[in-house]
Amino acid sequence: GESVGLHLPTLSVQEGDNSIINCAYSNSASDYFIWYKQESGKGPQFIIDIRSNMDKRQGQRVTVLLNKTVKHLSLQIAATQPGDSAVYFCAENMNPGGSYIPTFGRGTSLIVHP
Amino acid sequence: DTEVTQTPKHLVMGMTNKKSLKCEQHMGHRAMYWYKQKAKKPPELMFVYSYEKLSINESVPSRFSPECPNSSLLNLHLHALQPEDSALYLCASSQDGAGGSDTQYFGPGTRLTVL
Repeated sequence: GESVGLHLPTLSVQEGDNSIINCAYSNSASDYFIWYKQESGKGPQFIIDIRSNMDKRQGQRVTVLLNKTVKHLSLQIAATQPGDSAVYFCAENMNPGGSYIPTFGRGTSLIVHP
Repeated sequence: DTEVTQTPKHLVMGMTNKKSLKCEQHMGHRAMYWYKQKAKKPPELMFVYSYEKLSINESVPSRFSPECPNSSLLNLHLHALQPEDSALYLCASSQDGAGGSDTQYFGPGTRLTVL
């Protein structure tokens, strides 16, 4: 079946570096994508989203890039801080039978070293 | 108010017990969701309610029974669970669940342990 996956399960960076977390998706019908951050013991927290009619969207210190040609999504975090340490999930919204449901990727654990 | 609340935070129950998880939101959202999340895994969708009607049941065993008393509340009734049901149970809500760009907002979850 089609799925959302991540290339790297763990990413370690130094404080102040830029981080890039990647996500591959295979459902060409998906038209909305979301990045979530999940800290230990907490629920997923919305970070940023992007629709399929866009290829880039920027937030505060975060940028999401969408490449529909190769079905690839990335999350860039500028000047990574220790508080950014968490598991990051990408999710795509699919529409089987009329109800949109999100499907989550495997997740990438981001570790920021001071 | 942009918060989804869940109670209890932690729950330990035996396999013969009956318990309930509760979720509440006051954002005016009309879609609510239950997810199950095992350690180091992504959330897995269990149920979706849209306008207080069950719209998706992802083949969840009948020992899990959802209930949506009104548009702000979502319950998950648990009965005769198995140890493998131990997990973090997450509740989420979104505007209406019918649009492609409908962002979900999650609660902190209930950590369930089945003995």
